[in-house]
Amino acid sequence: EAGVAQSPRYKIIEKRQSVAFWCNPISGHATLYWYQQILGQGPKLLIQFQNNGVVDDSQLPKDRFSAERLKGVDSTLKIQPAKLEDSAVYLCASSFWTGGTDTQYFGPGTRLTVL
Amino acid sequence: AQKITQTQPGMFVQEKEAVTLDCTYDTSDQSYGLFWYKQPSSGEMIFLIYQGSYDEQNATEGRYSLNFQKARKSANLVISASQLGDSAMYFCAMRPIKAAGNKLTFGGGTRVLVKP
Repeated sequence: EAGVAQSPRYKIIEKRQSVAFWCNPISGHATLYWYQQILGQGPKLLIQFQNNGVVDDSQLPKDRFSAERLKGVDSTLKIQPAKLEDSAVYLCASSFWTGGTDTQYFGPGTRLTVL
Repeated sequence: AQKITQTQPGMFVQEKEAVTLDCTYDTSDQSYGLFWYKQPSSGEMIFLIYQGSYDEQNATEGRYSLNFQKARKSANLVISASQLGDSAMYFCAMRPIKAAGNKLTFGGGTRVLVKP
């Protein structure tokens, strides 16, 4: 079974530029998550989708970040315009509810550096 | 609100020895799940082990075991017979078990370095 795919793996941009990240979850996983992980910290949830609907985006900086999951499968996270403090690893995860638990499985992440 | 605390920022362990990583948590939920993830330098978060709050037995997965003490709100990870490949960051996480897709709350992590 293929894991969570993310691209690109690395991205370097200058502040005020735009950037987009792509995620393809494990087949059949209805729930998709985007996390931001700043160096030395644990991941922080940015947004969570259930199929193509947003479940939780309370920690998403909506003035500059946006995300979509139009067909309920793959997803795109965008930052526009980027700030220096956006330098982080952006992790995508997916899960499938079995009625008892739904373990989240993570992709390899995209490491963003904003100069 | 949920909170995870990992008090050990870094640890050295000798190859083939066991190591215990501490994790304490705080939650008002009656039903919750506890997870441990491993993050090597490559960056991917790798799921290791899960413990449900109502599970009476401690979870085990190969060389990983979870020492769950509900009254003390602790969920320590024990890695037995450490290997060089165990060198990584380890994160404890939890979420309420209410429905599909409750968000995970992570601790700050513990860096483990296995010495040959």
